Amino acid sequence: QVQLQESGPGLVKPSETLSLTCTVSGYSISSGYYWGWIRQPPGRGLEWIANIYHSGNTYYNSSLKSRVTLSVDTSKNHFSLKLASVTAADTAVYYCARKELTAGEFDHWGQGTLVTVSS
Amino acid sequence: EIVLTQSPGTLSLSPGERATLSCRASQSVSSSYLVWYQQKPGQAPTLLIYGASNRATGIPDRFSGSGSGTDFTLTISGVESDDFAVYYCQHYGNSFGGGTKVEFK
Repeated sequence: QVQLQESGPGLVKPSETLSLTCTVSGYSISSGYYWGWIRQPPGRGLEWIANIYHSGNTYYNSSLKSRVTLSVDTSKNHFSLKLASVTAADTAVYYCARKELTAGEFDHWGQGTLVTVSS
Repeated sequence: EIVLTQSPGTLSLSPGERATLSCRASQSVSSSYLVWYQQKPGQAPTLLIYGASNRATGIPDRFSGSGSGTDFTLTISGVESDDFAVYYCQHYGNSFGGGTKVEFK
C-alpha cells in the first residue's frame, strides 16, 4: 500500500525558507510516476506547486517558480520542497502526492502538514 | 496556463437529490487529463474521477463524470450523507478549479 508522509517545521519566520520532505513507503520512487506538492491556505482551495520525476525533471507553477526548488533522493525514497522568501501568504497545509504519468491524476496523497509563517 | 472555473460555489441539497457540478476550462483540454477530487474537512483530497469519466478504485457508481472540450460535469446521482464535501476539478496534475461545496440543505 502506497503511503506518503510530509515532515518539516510547522512554523517558519517571514523571509526565511520553508523546507518539507515527503517520505514514500510501499512504492519505490525510482519505479516511476511523478511526485508533487500541493498546498491549501486555511479555508481556501487547492494550489498546485510543482512536480518532480525520479530522474529529477521538474515542473513548476509559474506563479511560484522563482521561489521553489524540488529535489528527490531515491536512496531514501523521499522528495523535498523548498520555498524561499516566505510571507504570511504562504501559510497553508502542504500536501505531497503521487501523480500518474499518463492521465495526470494525483492518486495517493499524504495527510498534509500545516506550515505557519509568522515571526 | 489553463484556468478552471467551477460552478456553483455552493450546492445545497437534501439526501437523495441529484448533484450536478460544473468545471469549465479557459481553453479546450483533452478529456484524458480532466480529474475530480473529493475533500472532506480536515482531510486530504481523494481521487474520484480521472480521464473525465473513469471512476477511481472503490468509488461508488453514483458518481459519474462527463464532458469534453471546455465543459466538464461531475454528477452524483443521489447524494448520500457521506458525499457532503468540497469537490475540485484539476487538469493534468497542475491547475485546480476553485471548488464546489456540496452542503446539507
